[in-house]
Amino acid sequence: AQSVTQLDSQVPVFEEAPVELRCNYSSSVSVYLFWYVQYPNQGLQLLLKYLSGSTLVESINGFEAEFNKSQTSFHLRKPSVHISDTAEYFCAVSAPNSGYSTLTFGKGTMLLVSP
Amino acid sequence: DAMVIQNPRYQVTQFGKPVTLSCSQTLNHNVMYWYQQKSSQAPKLLFHYYDKDFNNEADTPDNFQSRRPNTSFCFLDIRSPGLGDAAMYLCATSLTGGAETQYFGPGTRLLVL
Repeated sequence: AQSVTQLDSQVPVFEEAPVELRCNYSSSVSVYLFWYVQYPNQGLQLLLKYLSGSTLVESINGFEAEFNKSQTSFHLRKPSVHISDTAEYFCAVSAPNSGYSTLTFGKGTMLLVSP
Repeated sequence: DAMVIQNPRYQVTQFGKPVTLSCSQTLNHNVMYWYQQKSSQAPKLLFHYYDKDFNNEADTPDNFQSRRPNTSFCFLDIRSPGLGDAAMYLCATSLTGGAETQYFGPGTRLLVL
């Protein structure tokens, strides 16, 4: 079984400051890793994912995450946040088994961006 | 636009009174999922369908059932809601599962009185 730990339940930050949201996972097998974002009163949306290849993955809105196998981490970063980035961010893991698997989510980190 | 639709967005029911939440999709995806999300907690997978093949998570209470009459629709039935079942219920779809992106609906918030 897999598990995901997001140590920070809330991260307050000022606009244009850098931010890092931490995610660690536990698994005995190879995994796929995901970050989903949930804006207020909306469903979850995929932000980015790591399947294989380059350990650094990027989203279209300036977020990036780096897969670190030795530290079992997949931290999410953005060099300069906007007010509109205020949302809850969920890290998730899946362990494909015959090409089919389900997601296990972390508890989420609320990113609060203030002016 | 292709999407995942959940109705209603808010549902109020009474303790012990059966309730059904619905989800529809226009993505023509094979897999549909139901998650329960309580405040400040991770979304928890209840069950999923791969086409007509039903997969129940081991710790999903028997009180929760699901139906998928066709590719587009999936229902979550709570036979006897308790106060502890108050939560946001999220429906999601993916084309074939695994590393595929899951597409989520906006959720239905269930309140049990």
